[in-house]
This record gives sequence, C-alpha cells and structure tokens, in this order.
Amino acid sequence: GAVVSQHPSRVICKSGTSVKIECRSLDFQATTMFWYRQFPKQSLMLMATSNEGSKATYEQGVEKDKFLINHASLTLSTLTVTSAHPEDSSFYICSVDRSTDTQYFGPGTRLTVL
Amino acid sequence: AQKVTQAQTEISVVEKEDVTLDCVYETRDTTYYLFWYKQPPSGELVFLIRRNSFDEQNEISGRYSWNFQKSTSSFNFTITASQVVDSAVYFCALSEAPSGSRLTFGEGTQLTVNP
Repeated sequence: GAVVSQHPSRVICKSGTSVKIECRSLDFQATTMFWYRQFPKQSLMLMATSNEGSKATYEQGVEKDKFLINHASLTLSTLTVTSAHPEDSSFYICSVDRSTDTQYFGPGTRLTVL
Repeated sequence: AQKVTQAQTEISVVEKEDVTLDCVYETRDTTYYLFWYKQPPSGELVFLIRRNSFDEQNEISGRYSWNFQKSTSSFNFTITASQVVDSAVYFCALSEAPSGSRLTFGEGTQLTVNP
C-alpha cells in the first residue's frame, strides 16, 4: 500500500493560535488527498478533498476559512487550523488516493487546544 | 445518499473464538466500492480489503474472510480463531466509482479479544 506520513503526530496549542498539519505521500504522486476528522469514539468524517494545483473542495458544514488546505505539490498537502478553539480538538487524518480506487491513510495527528 | 451501518458498536470475545462484524450499506449507484479498515489503538487506519459492486465472490485472506451479498446490501467480515492483536476498531466504508471519490464510513465496531 501507499506510504503516507503526517507531521506532527501530536500537537498541543493555546486557544486562538493556528496549527499546521502536513500530509506527505512518500511513494506516490498524489493529485488528490483527503482530510478527515475523528472525534473520540466516533467515525471518520470527511472534511475536504485536496486537489493539487487547485482549490480544495470542502464538505458541507466545514468552514473553509477556518480549515485552510494547500496542496502545492504532488506529495504534500497541508491543513491549517486557524484560530483554534477547544472544540477543534480532534484526531485529524489524511489519506491518499492512488487512482486504484483505494485510499491509504496516514498515521493521524492528535490536536489538543487548551 | 450513501450510508453505511455497523449495528454492532462493541463486541467482546475470548481468544480463538470466531467473530463476525456486520456491515449494511445503502447507495443508489450501480457501481461502487466497499472497504474494510482496521484502526488499532495507535490510530492509523489499515486497509484490509476492497470489493467492487460487480464482484460478489467471497474472499479469504488467512484468518480473515468477507461475505458480500448484494441482495441484502451487506458486506460482513469474519475473523476466524481471533487473537488479542485483532483488538481494534473496524470500519466498513463505501465509495462511488471511479477513483477519487469520497469515502462514507460506518460508525465502526470496537472488537476486544480477551486472552
């Protein structure tokens, strides 16, 4: 399967600050990546589809100005949580679509906002 | 709209027991893909299997087997002779074809295998 990395694996920040999470496709040039959010003991919810060289497509109810996505290269997509608040604390996980109709997931980033 | 239902929230078994995780899906598409992913306590989702809607053959991989039945819109997952390392949350998911489509996940089933 595809090798996908995320950085950082854990981050703790103060309320009001911004946090950037990186998702890298290590062995595949990905035109499409996905960002999911998972609250404790819940399922994964798709936040947005990240498209290389163009604007991300956000799911209904996800604030695009709060969750900034940049897919500047075929191996890197970033998610920036702007002005983070405690309710943004969650597990953020990205995935890479290898055009084989299967998404491979990164190890996730646990965000805690104090 | 697509929907995936995993009615079993938690299952607890004793090692070496067989266990079946249920998955029922809804979609209006005639072409779609079904998936199972495993999420151990570390959090990373591990891909287990993909099935397309035109392939109803059951599949076996070691201790894992999958039963896909379009007539009942089900895609059940059986672990034979369960082991403690099988303890994880298992997610069933659905996507439209072609590739690049969003995944719709079920709520997940927490499987605990006790020694």
